[in-house]
Amino acid sequence: AQSVTQPDIHITVSEGASLELRCNYSYGATPYLFWYVQSPGQGLQLLLKYFSGDTLVQGIKGFEAEFKRSQSSFNLRKPSVHWSDAAEYFCAVEAGGGNKLTFGTGTQLKVEL
Amino acid sequence: DSGVTQTPKHLITATGQRVTLRCSPRSGDLSVYWYQQSLDQGLQFLIQYYNGEERAKGNILERFSAQQFPDLHSELNLSSLELGDSALYFCASSKNSGTGYKGYTFGSGTRLTVV
Repeated sequence: AQSVTQPDIHITVSEGASLELRCNYSYGATPYLFWYVQSPGQGLQLLLKYFSGDTLVQGIKGFEAEFKRSQSSFNLRKPSVHWSDAAEYFCAVEAGGGNKLTFGTGTQLKVEL
Repeated sequence: DSGVTQTPKHLITATGQRVTLRCSPRSGDLSVYWYQQSLDQGLQFLIQYYNGEERAKGNILERFSAQQFPDLHSELNLSSLELGDSALYFCASSKNSGTGYKGYTFGSGTRLTVV
């Protein structure tokens, strides 16, 4: 069965600094990969997704992610963080059909002004 | 507004009771998914319906059931509620199921508190 690991439970960065959130997955083939963001009291918003092709994908709000097959990773990056980016970020994988998503445990991002 | 509507937003009920959570998918979407988000289990897939039929089942308890109606809205029924059922329940929708999948749209969730 597929699994997703987000090794960082909490991350704190200063506003304007760069950000990288880590995600590793376990699956025999290339899965579909996603990053979602959840603000307090809100639902999950899709930031970006990878299905195939170019391994660097661009998303909304200035986020990007890079798929590295050799490392089974799909890390999320942003060159300059804004205070409004403070939220919880979830990496997810869809594999094996049926569109079931398996989520990581999430990374809580705090932005210091 | 994501286009996926969940009602109610908040629900407080007693142990042993039964509740129904409702989800209206985004216009044109045929698949509905239910997820449970709790502090100890994280985000867990419960069940998927596609055009009225059950398509996939995850970690859904026997006390829980769901259905999708001809107008494509879905209901998640939770019965014999326990304290541990307190969680945020999300509904999501997508246009397709299986191949052609392009991603989910989540609703804002129903927060269930069992007291």
